[in-house]
Amino acid sequence: LAKTTQPISMDSYEGQEVNITCSHNNIATNDYITWYQQFPSQGPRFIIQGYKTKVTNEVASLFIPADRKSSTLSLPRVSLSDTAVYYCLVASYNDMRFGAGTRLTVKP
Amino acid sequence: DTAVSQTPKYLVTQMGNDKSIKCEQNLGHDTMYWYKQDSKKFLKIMFSYNNKELIINETVPNRFSPKSPDKAHLNLHINSLELGDSAVYFCASSPAPQGYEQYFGPGTRLTVT
Repeated sequence: LAKTTQPISMDSYEGQEVNITCSHNNIATNDYITWYQQFPSQGPRFIIQGYKTKVTNEVASLFIPADRKSSTLSLPRVSLSDTAVYYCLVASYNDMRFGAGTRLTVKP
Repeated sequence: DTAVSQTPKYLVTQMGNDKSIKCEQNLGHDTMYWYKQDSKKFLKIMFSYNNKELIINETVPNRFSPKSPDKAHLNLHINSLELGDSAVYFCASSPAPQGYEQYFGPGTRLTVT
């Protein structure tokens, strides 16, 4: 079963690029990697999902190396409103493991 | 329109009581989930259903029983509530299992006294 490990917290400043890495050494062939954002008193919100290499959408990029034992969420030019907890999820058809979450604080 | 809704939003009850949390999604998704988020913000999957079939049944006490009357609903019934059951419970849905994009409800904050 894949165990996911993330940094507990990160600080950044407005306009900077933020990279949050998740470690999942025991990832299985059928597992996908997904990242979610959660604000206080709300449910998590989907950011991006990938299986391997690089995925990019309008809000983030996801980098997954060939061995898939880690993944990096990249947030370009963060703003104050990006202050939130970010979760890495490794999931297959019958198993889901969230990381403990990374609390990102964006400062002016 | 709310995509995934849960009722109630807050639930305060005493130890030993039985309570239910309801979840409905209007997205036409085939898969629904229940998660528990504790005070340390750890998110843990409890159950998942795909087309009303139980897919994930994590190691949770037998006091927790999910019920899926149809694809759009997944309710969570809890018997003999204990102090340790206090948490926020999230319902979610996705087009299919295998970690597809999940849409989460607003959560139900359960407090057991």
